[in-house]
Amino acid sequence: DAGVTQSPTHLIKTRGQHVTLRCSPISGHKSVSWYQQVLGQGPQFIFQYYEKEERGRGNFPDRFSARQFPNYSSELNVNALLLGDSALYLCASSLNYEQYFGPGTRLTVT
Amino acid sequence: GQNIDQPTEMTATEGAIVQINCTYQTSGFNGLFWYQQHAGEAPTFLSYNVLDGLEEKGRFSSFLSRSKGYSYLLLKELQMKDSASYLCAVRDNDYKLSFGAGTTVTVRA
Repeated sequence: DAGVTQSPTHLIKTRGQHVTLRCSPISGHKSVSWYQQVLGQGPQFIFQYYEKEERGRGNFPDRFSARQFPNYSSELNVNALLLGDSALYLCASSLNYEQYFGPGTRLTVT
Repeated sequence: GQNIDQPTEMTATEGAIVQINCTYQTSGFNGLFWYQQHAGEAPTFLSYNVLDGLEEKGRFSSFLSRSKGYSYLLLKELQMKDSASYLCAVRDNDYKLSFGAGTTVTVRA
């Protein structure tokens, strides 16, 4: 079975631009969570979606938004990019208590 | 909110045992997780504790004391491939995971 997949793998954007990151969960998993991981720190929770509904939101500005589609895939959108948004963005899917992480998208904002 | 503390770095010799401690203060508790993360890779699940006590899984064991807000991950018979960052994470009553900053373990020959 395929694991969690994310696209793109790497991305370079300029300040002020917008970015969309994509995630496909493991087949059968209905919950998707998004995390931001800055170098040297643990992942920080951004959003969780379950059955296409937002279940939780971390302490991130409104520039960050997400949605989940009927096939349970998900998108994370970030508007008006700042230099500080440079990070590894991780998507995790879950069926029960265990979360399975995708390889992440490395976003660099210049 | 959640406050999760773990040591920044630990070094041990191949074949030895290392214990990584994690203390937490949370507004709600619904389980504690340990993840392993190699440089440049995604975290991978190691263990899950929701009740007090020790959970053993091969060379790795995890302990939880909810009354003390304390957990540890025990790595036995260390191998070079165990060099990685180990993340302690607490899930709250809304199923949100909060991670510590991670403990970088370096295994030396």
